Amino acid sequence: NAGVTQTPKFQVLKTGQSMTLQCAQDMNHEYMSWYRQDPGMGLRLIHYSVGAGITDQGEVPNGYNVSRSTTEDFPLRLLSAAPSQTSVYFCASSASRASLSANTFGSGTRLTVV
Amino acid sequence: SQKIEQNSEALNIQEGKTATLTCNYTNYSPAYLQWYRQDPGRGPVFLLLIRENEKEKRKERLKVTFDTTLKQSLFHITASQPADSATYLCALDISPGGGADGLTFGKGTHLIIQP
Repeated sequence: NAGVTQTPKFQVLKTGQSMTLQCAQDMNHEYMSWYRQDPGMGLRLIHYSVGAGITDQGEVPNGYNVSRSTTEDFPLRLLSAAPSQTSVYFCASSASRASLSANTFGSGTRLTVV
Repeated sequence: SQKIEQNSEALNIQEGKTATLTCNYTNYSPAYLQWYRQDPGRGPVFLLLIRENEKEKRKERLKVTFDTTLKQSLFHITASQPADSATYLCALDISPGGGADGLTFGKGTHLIIQP
């Protein structure tokens, strides 16, 4: 099925560990983004990409890195996990700017940092 | 930065009635506004996008209005069904004028349709 695939679905990390959240889309979308969702808060933008080789920071980028080597993939790296990064992470893609077109979201990665 | 306000409390509606959800924003007026549905444990699903020069947009039982004077969007579900029970999110451009890409979201309104 066409869409956005995120892996893993669940992950528990110890403080200080690093890991990569994977995101892949098969819709040939140029625009991709990462959000985190915390209880009582709206989704917040971490990083975004407007095409292969181009990434930029969103609202809450500290502690996260991204790269975009292909159109399909947009991995999110946690450099040194902290309990404050416990959250649900969503990847999204769109055919044009996020505000101008429908965004397709993945099913999320639930991350717990202990 | 943009601030979005949605009803923080759950909205209980009887099946068959029209559910109306509110999205208010401060600061700049976006050129576009979007509504998403989110079910527990799932990612948001796109429903509708409305442009600032469109006062109203419809899709099946859904209707969205956009009042840039009031800085408000209303989201209506007519002939509501229990399957419409979910959290509904309002989203705007995170950066007006073509700067950073991405959306800023409200906290969402939890809608419960009771049989």
